[in-house]
Amino acid sequence: NAGVTQTPKFQVLKTGQSMTLQCAQDMNHNSMYWYRQDPGMGLRLIYYSASEGTTDKGEVPNGYNVSRLNKREFSLRLESAAPSQTSVYFCASSADRLPYEQYFGPGTRLTVT
Amino acid sequence: AQSVAQPEDQVNVAEGNPLTVKCTYSVSGNPYLFWYVQYPNRGLQFLLKYITGDNLVKGSYGFEAEFNKSQTSFHLKKPSALVSDSALYFCAIRRGDYKLSFGAGTTVTVRA
Repeated sequence: NAGVTQTPKFQVLKTGQSMTLQCAQDMNHNSMYWYRQDPGMGLRLIYYSASEGTTDKGEVPNGYNVSRLNKREFSLRLESAAPSQTSVYFCASSADRLPYEQYFGPGTRLTVT
Repeated sequence: AQSVAQPEDQVNVAEGNPLTVKCTYSVSGNPYLFWYVQYPNRGLQFLLKYITGDNLVKGSYGFEAEFNKSQTSFHLKKPSALVSDSALYFCAIRRGDYKLSFGAGTTVTVRA
């Protein structure tokens, strides 16, 4: 039981390049999330998916797109990376019942130069 | 709107001393509150949660948290801190749309 997995662990991009961050969970959760973590700002929600085929914007969606490929997988795409997107990205999942506790992946550390 | 605040950026304690990490919340209705811990270069790990019932909640690694409705607080506590407790701690609250809203985090350093 791996929980939530993310790839890659580290990535360096040049401004304007694109990339996709992958996330998968094996807990049969319907809900999945993408967050970014920046110093002193906690975690901010980028996108959310309540179920396969549905996605919603979070607090900071600009510059990102997502795909809920199936129940297990939820990917985050940066179409044209910018230095402001340098951050640590976390994927999480949760069940659809109380208390909606979230389980997190190990994170992807992204640097955009 | 539901939100949490962590008033301290950093907490420093000596090993063996009590550890407290503060969290206050704002909510309309009953809060669902959580504590998570993040060790260096790792993802967030769930520590404990308050849903309803007993105001003292026990969690992983010897941590507990006290829910105080009158003071709208949910402070994390450990009676005797270990060096290995040094980490970043996040308080979170479930919002009305079922998502979590996180505090900014508190860095705990336990010195030997």
